[in-house]
Amino acid sequence: QQQVKQSPQSLIVQKGGISIINCAYENTAFDYFPWYQQFPGKGPALLIAIRPDVSEKKEGRFTISFNKSAKQFSLHIMDSQPGDSATYFCAASMRSSYKLIFGSGTRLLVRP
Amino acid sequence: DSGVTQTPKHLITATGQRVTLRCSPRSGDLSVYWYQQSLDQGLQFLIQYYNGEERAKGNILERFSAQQFPDLHSELNLSSLELGDSALYFCASSVELGGGGETQYFGPGTRLLVL
Repeated sequence: QQQVKQSPQSLIVQKGGISIINCAYENTAFDYFPWYQQFPGKGPALLIAIRPDVSEKKEGRFTISFNKSAKQFSLHIMDSQPGDSATYFCAASMRSSYKLIFGSGTRLLVRP
Repeated sequence: DSGVTQTPKHLITATGQRVTLRCSPRSGDLSVYWYQQSLDQGLQFLIQYYNGEERAKGNILERFSAQQFPDLHSELNLSSLELGDSALYFCASSVELGGGGETQYFGPGTRLLVL
């Protein structure tokens, strides 16, 4: 019940295309859902985050869509660029706990 | 650059040995978290300290221990090392306890290889 399931494992998108990464969770106590971006040799960095009281959050080319009833959330990267090529992790946490539960990661490659 | 520093960057050691990984949080951050990243287990939370006190524990092995010092830097001690302990170890920090969905800032990691 503590798991966050992420798909796909890898994704190849052409420059200018839309990248979509999906995550699902079971524990309804989760109330914070961040996405982290990790480049090779670097630590994960917060990209965008959402709480379950909103269904969508947009920051620049990055959008989180959140479906509370389905217990799913997704990251959309619009106009994908080669510089977006990285590994993306979804995560979840709850107020009563301080740890982040991470999904298994998606390796994104954006072809020029 | 997140402002979180970790040393060493790489560490190669043998089975049965003990190593210490060091983390300095961002200036002003009171919480320090340790995570392990491996190919088969992904990113796993190990332990959290807040202002010198242990606050949360994850899937941390008994052979592993951590502490946070008065200057807020933290050390993760790994002993009786096994091949399976080879992984990337990340430290993250946040200003407060983090229960409210606070951003955790990750360091560059220490890559541990146990031979």
